[in-house]
Amino acid sequence: DAGVIQSPRHEVTEMGQEVTLRCKPISGHDYLFWYRQTMMRGLELLIYFNNNVPIDDSGMPEDRFSAKMPNASFSTLKIQPSEPRDSAVYFCASSKGQGRGYGYTFGSGTRLTVV
Amino acid sequence: AQSVTQPDIHITVSEGASLELRCNYSYGATPYLFWYVQSPGQGLQLLLKYFSGDTLVQGIKGFEAEFKRSQSSFNLRKPSVHWSDAAEYFCAVGGGAQKLVFGQGTRLTINP
Repeated sequence: DAGVIQSPRHEVTEMGQEVTLRCKPISGHDYLFWYRQTMMRGLELLIYFNNNVPIDDSGMPEDRFSAKMPNASFSTLKIQPSEPRDSAVYFCASSKGQGRGYGYTFGSGTRLTVV
Repeated sequence: AQSVTQPDIHITVSEGASLELRCNYSYGATPYLFWYVQSPGQGLQLLLKYFSGDTLVQGIKGFEAEFKRSQSSFNLRKPSVHWSDAAEYFCAVGGGAQKLVFGQGTRLTINP
């Protein structure tokens, strides 16, 4: 298995632009998680899905952020409009069951820089 | 609510020395416990996990961790560190239907 695949690896964009981050989870995993990592705040859970349905989006910072999972093999995290404070590394992770007993498998992340 | 505390933000050890990274958790029942490692520019990789049975668990890269219920701890150990072990280490706790909660991480520096 190729693991969790994220694209792009790096994204540099100007303030106000729309940014879309993509994730392909491991086949057979029924949970998908989006995390944001910064030096100041560490690893933050933004949203997670179970069987393509959003379960908890309480970590999404504001309405500028949205996430979708149209099918079991693809998810997107969109920021519109982007702001410099959104600069961070965004990780996608997937698991069988909600991590219990299995843990999460993380992608390599997307480093987002908003200038 | 479940929580994880990693008391050490940054630890420096010499190559070949032993290592122990601390992790304390708060959870009302028997937890599932994990250690992850993050190398620079990479995602988090699972080192080891505990959810039942033997309280001393072995992981990849020569790491082990011991679950101590009485101390609510799950410390990570390695008898002899290598320069390639320099990374950030995260402890996480979960259980039942609860999603995993991660600690703030401990950055490990290795002196040659």
